[in-house]
This record gives sequence, C-alpha cells and structure tokens, in this order.
Amino acid sequence: NAGVTQTPKFQVLKTGQSMTLQCAQDMNHEYMSWYRQDPGMGLRLIHYSVGAGITDQGEVPNGYNVSRSTTEDFPLRLLSAAPSQTSVYFCASSRGGAGSSSPLHFGNGTRLTVT
Amino acid sequence: GEDVEQSLFLSVREGDSSVINCTYTDSSSTYLYWYKQEPGAGLQLLTYIFSNMDMKQDQRLTVLLNKKDKHLSLRIADTQTGDSAIYFCAERAGSARQLTFGSGTQLTVLP
Repeated sequence: NAGVTQTPKFQVLKTGQSMTLQCAQDMNHEYMSWYRQDPGMGLRLIHYSVGAGITDQGEVPNGYNVSRSTTEDFPLRLLSAAPSQTSVYFCASSRGGAGSSSPLHFGNGTRLTVT
Repeated sequence: GEDVEQSLFLSVREGDSSVINCTYTDSSSTYLYWYKQEPGAGLQLLTYIFSNMDMKQDQRLTVLLNKKDKHLSLRIADTQTGDSAIYFCAERAGSARQLTFGSGTQLTVLP
C-alpha cells in the first residue's frame, strides 16, 4: 500500500519555466490537497479538491493550477516559475465527509528551487 | 480567518517530559491534530482530539484541550532522542475539509 506518492523529490527550475508536480494516492480518498511549507510559516494551503472534477482555491493559490480528472491523481502546475515559489510542496489526502475525524495522509514532499 | 500559533523551538533533556503548546482562534473547531515531521519526510499523524473532549492519552502522548482558552498541548513523557522533530498543531473548523496548521515547533532532545 503506497499511500500518497509525490514525484519528483527534487527539482530546480529557472525563472519563467513551467512544470507539473505529480501526486497520486491509492487509498480511494475523496479529498486531496496541496500545501507549501516555508520556514517559520508552517504549511499553507494552495489548492484542494473534494472529488474528481471539483477543485477550489486555498490560502495561496496565485501562480498555481490544479485539475482532478481522476480520484487517484491531483497534479499541481506551475505556469511560470518565480523565485518566490521556492519551497517544499506536500500533497495530502483524506477520506470521509466534512466533520469526520479523517486525518490527512501526506506524501514525502517535493523540494523545489527556482533560480 | 483561522489562526493557529505555536512557539518555534523547544529543547529538553532525554528522559524529561516535553510540553508543546498551541493556541487557535476559531471557536468552531471540531477536531484538533498533532503531526510529527522528521527531517526530509512528510507529516505523520500522531494523535487527534475531538473538541468535546478535555484530554486524550495514547501511550507516552497526552493531549490536553482547554476549549475556553482555545489552548491545546501535547505532552510527551520520557522524551527520547528519536522524538526530535518538528511538531505541528492543526485544526479543522466546523464542516470544513481543510486543516489550518501552526508554524511548527522544533523539538530538540539533548542527551
């Protein structure tokens, strides 16, 4: 049981380049989300999805796009990378409806550097 | 909006108890969580507490919730060097799916 799988683990981009961070889960979880982690700022929610075909913005969505064509996959796209997007990105998923105790299951993260 | 605050650093001696504190602002919080992050890894759920509970104990971990003061704490008994990590407090408000995280507390266990 792989859980939440993120690829790549590390990535270096030049300013203006685009790329997609991949996230896949094999737990049939309805809810998936992307966070970025920056020193002293904890985790901030970028985008989330409550099911296939449904996405919504989190706290810091600018510069990022997402789509949810299947239950398993939730890729995060950087359209034109900026140095401010240098961060560690985490994908997380959970099952269950609103108000349930379902905890988030996290991937191991993608460390992105934009030069 | 919701806000969750934690102190950034805590150092303890091996064998002592550690207490990590967290405050939150949203009075509609339903579940509060503690996650542990080891270097280079994702976050792992340690424990959680429902908002109608005052305390939850799980082996060396004790969670205390003071809903009136919106204060959550995590006590680790007999702290070991393997407990050195970043600990995140998180809350789920009302019917929301998403969690709001604190900035994390770096726990360092000294031999």
